[in-house]
Amino acid sequence: NAGVTQTPKFQVLKTGQSMTLQCAQDMNHEYMSWYRQDPGMGLRLIHYSVGAGITDQGEVPNGYNVSRSTTEDFPLRLLSAAPSQTSVYFCASSYSGVGTDTQYFGPGTRLTVL
Amino acid sequence: SQKIEQNSEALNIQEGKTATLTCNYTNYSPAYLQWYRQDPGRGPVFLLLIRENEKEKRKERLKVTFDTTLKQSLFHITASQPADSATYLCALDSGAGSYQLTFGKGTKLSVIP
Repeated sequence: NAGVTQTPKFQVLKTGQSMTLQCAQDMNHEYMSWYRQDPGMGLRLIHYSVGAGITDQGEVPNGYNVSRSTTEDFPLRLLSAAPSQTSVYFCASSYSGVGTDTQYFGPGTRLTVL
Repeated sequence: SQKIEQNSEALNIQEGKTATLTCNYTNYSPAYLQWYRQDPGRGPVFLLLIRENEKEKRKERLKVTFDTTLKQSLFHITASQPADSATYLCALDSGAGSYQLTFGKGTKLSVIP
């Protein structure tokens, strides 16, 4: 199993550009989530999904869109990038939720918005 | 408001000693609490989970306690080694039926040879 994969590893954008961060898992996990990690702020939940076709907002959803058309993939879209979105983004997945489930994290995408 | 606090941003200890990291929370009633390890440039890796009705959980040199009265979890690494140097994160859910996991900011542990 590859586990949770994320692409790209690094990305530089200009303000106003759009892009999609890719996340895929091959563990047949129902639950997937996106976090951003900033110095001094810790990991903050952006969006999550409890299954294909079902998504919901986390703590910091503004400026980000998600969709879940398959169990395997959970892309994160930035429609109009802003410097405040400079961060490291982590995708995670688990069998069914957050309580007793281990979260498996991807390697992260380091995004810089100029 | 809900808050998770890890006792310090950084902790330095001598090799062979026991490291103790603290996670305090307010305005949560978590059913579970988890601990993760994060190495520089990598995603967090799950270490241990403890349920609200469990006082203590052990795994090899790791021990976690959970006191729902004090609203506190302690994470211990016994016989610490330089390879234990990393950032340790606590995380908790928002209660039964919650699908959101909230993380503390982490404690960076350095084990000095």
